[in-house]
Amino acid sequence: EAGVVQSPRYKIIEKKQPVAFWCNPISGHNTLYWYRQNLGQGPELLIRYENEEAVDDSQLPKDRFSAERLKGVDSTLKIQPAELGDSAVYLCASSLDNSPLHFGNGTRLTVT
Amino acid sequence: GDSVTQMEGPVTLSEEAFLTINCTYTATGYPSLFWYVQYPGEGLQLLLKATKADDKGSNKGFEATYRKETTSFHLEKGSVQVSDSAVYFCALSGIAGRRALTFGSGTRLQVQP
Repeated sequence: EAGVVQSPRYKIIEKKQPVAFWCNPISGHNTLYWYRQNLGQGPELLIRYENEEAVDDSQLPKDRFSAERLKGVDSTLKIQPAELGDSAVYLCASSLDNSPLHFGNGTRLTVT
Repeated sequence: GDSVTQMEGPVTLSEEAFLTINCTYTATGYPSLFWYVQYPGEGLQLLLKATKADDKGSNKGFEATYRKETTSFHLEKGSVQVSDSAVYFCALSGIAGRRALTFGSGTRLQVQP
């Protein structure tokens, strides 16, 4: 089966610019996650969707971050405006019910 | 809240050496426990898991036993190979429908020929 697909693979932007990341989960997976992984750290949850509903967004910095999963399939994570501290790898994962999470390869964001 | 603590790396071993990467956790109730591996340039992959106390997860020669009394889930392998060089993450999935994973900070393993 095709895995979780993320794009772009790399993104370099200047601070205060907007940026968006896209994720296509594994077909049929109802749960989608966005994680942020800082250099040398483990991933930290930003938001979790059950179908199209965001059921856990307590760690999402809502002043500048937004996410959507309009049809319960693909998802987009946006940052506007980006700050230097947002430089990290943004990971998308998906799962079906209680199955283990499957991760994409991530988008490496560099804010200059 | 839930948390996972891993031994700091990097861990450098010679091929065929014995590997232990320590992991302890703090959680309410009885979480599920996981080890994920991240090879260079690749995404996180599930290595093994255990869902209840005394369960042993195993895969590719790696093992970890869910120890409730010590809140630990140490990763072991009897004979490492160069191809095992990667970053290993211990993680837990909490209870009450919160299926998102909480990760440790990762341990880099370097295996030398």
